[in-house]
Amino acid sequence: GAVVSQHPSRVICKSGTSVKIECRSLDFQATTMFWYRQFPKQSLMLMATSNEGSKATYEQGVEKDKFLINHASLTLSTLTVTSAHPEDSSFYICSARGLRYPFHEQYFGPGTRLTVT
Amino acid sequence: GQSLEQPSEVTAVEGAIVQINCTYQTSGFYGLSWYQQHDGGAPTFLSYNALDGLEETGRFSSFLSRSDSYGYLLLQELQMKDSASYFCAVRDRGNTPLVFGKGTRLSVIA
Repeated sequence: GAVVSQHPSRVICKSGTSVKIECRSLDFQATTMFWYRQFPKQSLMLMATSNEGSKATYEQGVEKDKFLINHASLTLSTLTVTSAHPEDSSFYICSARGLRYPFHEQYFGPGTRLTVT
Repeated sequence: GQSLEQPSEVTAVEGAIVQINCTYQTSGFYGLSWYQQHDGGAPTFLSYNALDGLEETGRFSSFLSRSDSYGYLLLQELQMKDSASYFCAVRDRGNTPLVFGKGTRLSVIA
């Protein structure tokens, strides 16, 4: 149980285009989803927190107009990287938390590797 | 905010025991978690300590001392497949997200 999927697993896009990444909780309802970004050989950095039906809360330094997060249902959150640039190339990982014990536990998706050329 | 310190790299021999330490500073504390991440993969949950003491799960054990703001992950009978990055992570309240340390890259050698 507690499976989180992400799609796509890898994406290559051209500079200036937008990319949408989907994160789904497959067997539980995710009341909260978190988006992390990880550069090579670095730690996971929290980008934003989203609660179903509410606007996302972004961490300091993360541009909310560039990284659009939508959490429209209890099983789906999307991250759209708008006008992507090479410096946005990174590993994006979503994490979900839901109404199941232990209630604090976060379940991680497999990640999406974005390459902007 | 929170900050976590852990060694950047550790090398150990196959079959040996290795300990990865983590010290943290956080305004509140809602447990210390450990995650494993292989190159190119997502982090996978290893253990969680909310109370002081040792938690054992197979070859892996995790320890917490809340008074010292310190914990460690102990890996026994090391195998080559244990070569990965290991992250400690904390949250300051039950409904706040995990904040990760910078990770310790473990290399297991023959």
